Amino acid sequence: AQTVTQSQPEMSVQEAETVTLSCTYDTSESNYYLFWYKQPPSRQMILVIRQEAYKQQNATENRFSVNFQKAAKSFSLKISDSQLGDTAMYFCAFMKPMEYGNKLVFGAGTILRVKS
Amino acid sequence: GAVVSQHPSRVICKSGTSVKIECRSLDFQATTMFWYRQFPKQSLMLMATSNEGSKATYEQGVEKDKFLINHASLTLSTLTVTSAHPEDSSFYICSARPPRGDRGYEQYFGPGTRLTVT
Repeated sequence: AQTVTQSQPEMSVQEAETVTLSCTYDTSESNYYLFWYKQPPSRQMILVIRQEAYKQQNATENRFSVNFQKAAKSFSLKISDSQLGDTAMYFCAFMKPMEYGNKLVFGAGTILRVKS
Repeated sequence: GAVVSQHPSRVICKSGTSVKIECRSLDFQATTMFWYRQFPKQSLMLMATSNEGSKATYEQGVEKDKFLINHASLTLSTLTVTSAHPEDSSFYICSARPPRGDRGYEQYFGPGTRLTVT
């Protein structure tokens, strides 16, 4: 079974600085998707970024980028120019397409606090 | 696009009663919907997967007779918590997956429902 590990329960960063959240996963599959979701205090889950395993290029979305290391099974999220609105719980998630109903396997989450 | 709604956002019920939570995909047809449970500061725990027109698939340890799931149409799934008890108090989140295609691997989440059983 696939597992996702987020080893940082809580992190804090000063506004405008850069922070990196860690995620590792365990799978024997070669084709899969990885996601970072954000859950702000409103508790609405928001997709931040996704990465297809077959793509070597790291995904980027504005201030958010990932460092995808397939061989190391690592998928970290870098947030540049942190803003107060980035304060949230961040979840790393794994999905194997077309199997098990496209279920997402979530990590335990990292609480990120952006300080002014 | 890809908006998912849940109703109600908050509900308080008495122990022993049943409560129904609705999950709707507003601007797309959802062939598959998922129901999650989340405790404070914890991750999402998948309860069940529902496919339109067929029985839900429950995760191990989830009581199917207590958490009844109905996916009657391509835009609506419901979760009914039967004979609710205080330990069922939690935050319930649904998500919906579009049909196969470019977006078929994504899930879009509802805003969640906070259930309190007194």
